Amino acid sequence: GNSVTQMEGPVTLSEEAFLTINCTYTATGYPSLFWYVQYPGEGLQLLLKATKADDKGSNKGFEATYRKETTSFHLEKGSVQVSDSAVYFCALAAYSGAGSYQLTFGKGTKLSVIP
Amino acid sequence: DAGVIQSPRHEVTEMGQEVTLRCKPISGHNSLFWYRQTMMRGLELLIYFNNNVPIDDSGMPEDRFSAKMPNASFSTLKIQPSEPRDSAVYFCASSFQEGGNQPQHFGDGTRLSIL
Repeated sequence: GNSVTQMEGPVTLSEEAFLTINCTYTATGYPSLFWYVQYPGEGLQLLLKATKADDKGSNKGFEATYRKETTSFHLEKGSVQVSDSAVYFCALAAYSGAGSYQLTFGKGTKLSVIP
Repeated sequence: DAGVIQSPRHEVTEMGQEVTLRCKPISGHNSLFWYRQTMMRGLELLIYFNNNVPIDDSGMPEDRFSAKMPNASFSTLKIQPSEPRDSAVYFCASSFQEGGNQPQHFGDGTRLSIL
């Protein structure tokens, strides 16, 4: 079956530090990959996506590259801000039959950025 | 544009009572998903619909849970009778399913507390 493994949190960084959150996946076929972010008290929001190998998704200074050879989709940001404090979820979308695609999520990584 | 709208935002009730959660997906989306989020289990997919038809309800915990989608603009998740272990945040998400590279859009969730 499909699965997503992301690094355990919580992660605490100082403002302007470099961020990496590791994500690896197991899937049949060629899934699309996503990073979602969840701020306190809110639902998940799409942060970025990549739909095929070697694609790079980017948004708000965050980047992730779809690496088929290592089945990875690590999230990076060069300089984090306090406002980036949230929970980050890695996810893949795979075909689940009847014309539908289902997301498989990782367990989430909580990031806290301190001034 | 309006996003996914869930109601109520918060619900507190006593065990044994019936609980109904409501969701209005984004107009034009053809798939709708119900998730449950807890600290212990993370994000769990309960059920999803494609073109108003339930595709996979294997995530529904037991017969006390039921979900309906009578039309493309409305869905309900019902728990009857409710139990304290049902306390969680319930999210609804919708997407336009075409090729698997379209993201899901989440509502802000219903925080359910069963006393």
